[in-house]
Amino acid sequence: DAGVIQSPRHEVTEMGQEVTLRCKPISGHDYLFWYRQTMMRGLELLIYFNNNVPIDDSGMPEDRFSAKMPNASFSTLKIQPSEPRDSAVYFCASRPQGSKDIQYFGAGTRLSVL
Amino acid sequence: QKEVEQDPGPLSVPEGAIVSLNCTYSNSAFQYFMWYRQYSRKGPELLMYTYSSGNKEDGRFTAQVDKSSKYISLFIRDSQPSDSATYLCAMSATVRYRGSTLGRLYFGRGTQLTVWP
Repeated sequence: DAGVIQSPRHEVTEMGQEVTLRCKPISGHDYLFWYRQTMMRGLELLIYFNNNVPIDDSGMPEDRFSAKMPNASFSTLKIQPSEPRDSAVYFCASRPQGSKDIQYFGAGTRLSVL
Repeated sequence: QKEVEQDPGPLSVPEGAIVSLNCTYSNSAFQYFMWYRQYSRKGPELLMYTYSSGNKEDGRFTAQVDKSSKYISLFIRDSQPSDSATYLCAMSATVRYRGSTLGRLYFGRGTQLTVWP
């Protein structure tokens, strides 16, 4: 299996622009997680899905952030409008049901908002 | 107070040293405990996994869980330059406790380790 696939790997945009990050989980995994990682705050859970349904979005920082999972093999995280403080590395992770909560991470998207 | 506390370091040791990394937590419902290793510009990868209290050994790595003290540790023996990475502890609950959500992991901030030759 190719693992969790994220795109793009790097994104540079200007403040106010819309940013869309993409994730393809490992086939057969029922859970999908979106994280943000910064030096100051470490790894923060933004939102996660179980069987394409959002379970907990309490980590989404504000209404500018939205996430969707239209099917079991694809998810997006959108920031609109983007701000410089959104600059971070965004990770997607997935895991199968009953896996003792072990998650498998993608390589991340490094976002820079100028 | 965060659910999981971890000293971010940085920690710098010579090759061959024994390294001790630690996390404390506050949620007594946590039952699964993990250590992830993250190399620079990569995603975290699972390194060690333990259930409930006790020790687990895998080669040069030993994970310890002390649930009575809400304290977990990762020991690295004979550390190598290739061990240089950020180590994140993570844990999850099997029952709901004070608003915790099932199915997710709670991560420490990570400790940045450098092993120099």
